[in-house]
Amino acid sequence: AQRVTQPEKLLSVFKGAPVELKCNYSYSGSPELFWYVQYSRQRLQLLLRHISRESIKGFTADLNKGETSFHLKKPFAQEEDSAMYYCALKNSGGSNYKLTFGKGTLLTVNP
Amino acid sequence: EPEVTQTPSHQVTQMGQEVILRCVPISNHLYFYWYRQILGQKVEFLVSFYNNEISEKSEIFDDQFSVERPDGSNFTLKIRSTKLEDSAMYFCASGTYLNSPLHFGNGTRLTVT
Repeated sequence: AQRVTQPEKLLSVFKGAPVELKCNYSYSGSPELFWYVQYSRQRLQLLLRHISRESIKGFTADLNKGETSFHLKKPFAQEEDSAMYYCALKNSGGSNYKLTFGKGTLLTVNP
Repeated sequence: EPEVTQTPSHQVTQMGQEVILRCVPISNHLYFYWYRQILGQKVEFLVSFYNNEISEKSEIFDDQFSVERPDGSNFTLKIRSTKLEDSAMYFCASGTYLNSPLHFGNGTRLTVT
């Protein structure tokens, strides 16, 4: 069964500090991994997906198949990065876009 | 930018009552989904819908649940006889094609008393 684990429920850093939100997954096939973000009182939004290998709002994430991880990183956190972050997995292929989410990490960036 | 809209934002209902949660997906999207999040827990997949039929459903999506696309714009989730444990945030999502990223609505908070 596929599973996504975000070990940190809460993460607090100071503005300008590096931030890393951890995500580990369990999946027997070849997964697609995503990070979704939910700012206060806003909808879930796609932040980035591993197949795009892009940097969005300064965030990057590298899929490490050996460690089954997809940690989200930003070298210098900003106050506006404060939000709930969800790691999600989709089985590649498949007939639909069924996502398995982690429990989420609430990131607080303090001034 | 077009958005998925959900109504109502908050619904309170008594146990045993039927409830319908409404969603208007983005107009050119073809794939529709419902997810839910019980307070403090994960966002969980409920059901996917394509070409006017359910393409996949989870174990949560039992006979008490149904989905419908009654016209060209709305996508509804009905819970026939609500239970206390149905209290959750329900998210609708849509996508243009099979592997396109999902666009989520703001969610409907359902409280069953």
